[in-house]
Amino acid sequence: AQSVSQHNHHVILSEAASLELGCNYSYGGTVNLFWYVQYPGQHLQLLLKYFSGDPLVKGIKGFEAEFIKSKFSFNLRKPSVQWSDTAEYFCAAGNYGGSQGNLIFGKGTKLSVKP
Amino acid sequence: AAGVIQSPRHLIKEKRETATLKCYPIPRHDTVYWYQQGPGQDPQFLISFYEKMQSDKGSIPDRFSAQQFSDYHSELNMSSLELGDSALYFCASSHRSGGDTDTQYFGPGTRLTVL
Repeated sequence: AQSVSQHNHHVILSEAASLELGCNYSYGGTVNLFWYVQYPGQHLQLLLKYFSGDPLVKGIKGFEAEFIKSKFSFNLRKPSVQWSDTAEYFCAAGNYGGSQGNLIFGKGTKLSVKP
Repeated sequence: AAGVIQSPRHLIKEKRETATLKCYPIPRHDTVYWYQQGPGQDPQFLISFYEKMQSDKGSIPDRFSAQQFSDYHSELNMSSLELGDSALYFCASSHRSGGDTDTQYFGPGTRLTVL
């Protein structure tokens, strides 16, 4: 069955600390991978995406993610977090070029950044 | 840039009532997806439409129905509401016929509360 798992439910960091959020997927066929961020009370915003090509993808707000096919992983990283990064982060997977295209989300990781 | 519009933003209903949620996709987007996010949960895919035809179906209860109209907006109709239907309902849109086929952009959501 297709699934996305995020290792950490809640991560607490101080400002300027480095961040890595884990994401593993189980998906048949070629997969598209996404990270979305949901700030408190707001909707999902796309941080970055991987379709093909360079496995290191850069997104908005200084975030990046690395696709490691052998590990079925797509971990999100940021070298130095800010208080404004406090939010919930969702990893998601979808069919590559599929006619369906619905996303499967992980359970999310809450990030709290202490000022 | 124009985003996905959802209305209403908040809706309060009694058990056994009906509700209609509306979604207006980003201009020129031809595909609409509906997701349900329960409290503290990840978004769960309900149903999608491409070019006004149902494209895929997820965990949508039989009490719910949806359609996409000629102007590409979509409506989610929910009948015989239950307490467990209380959730945030997101709509997302993508441009399947275009170059950015598989990227879904989310609306702000409709928060439905069933009393």
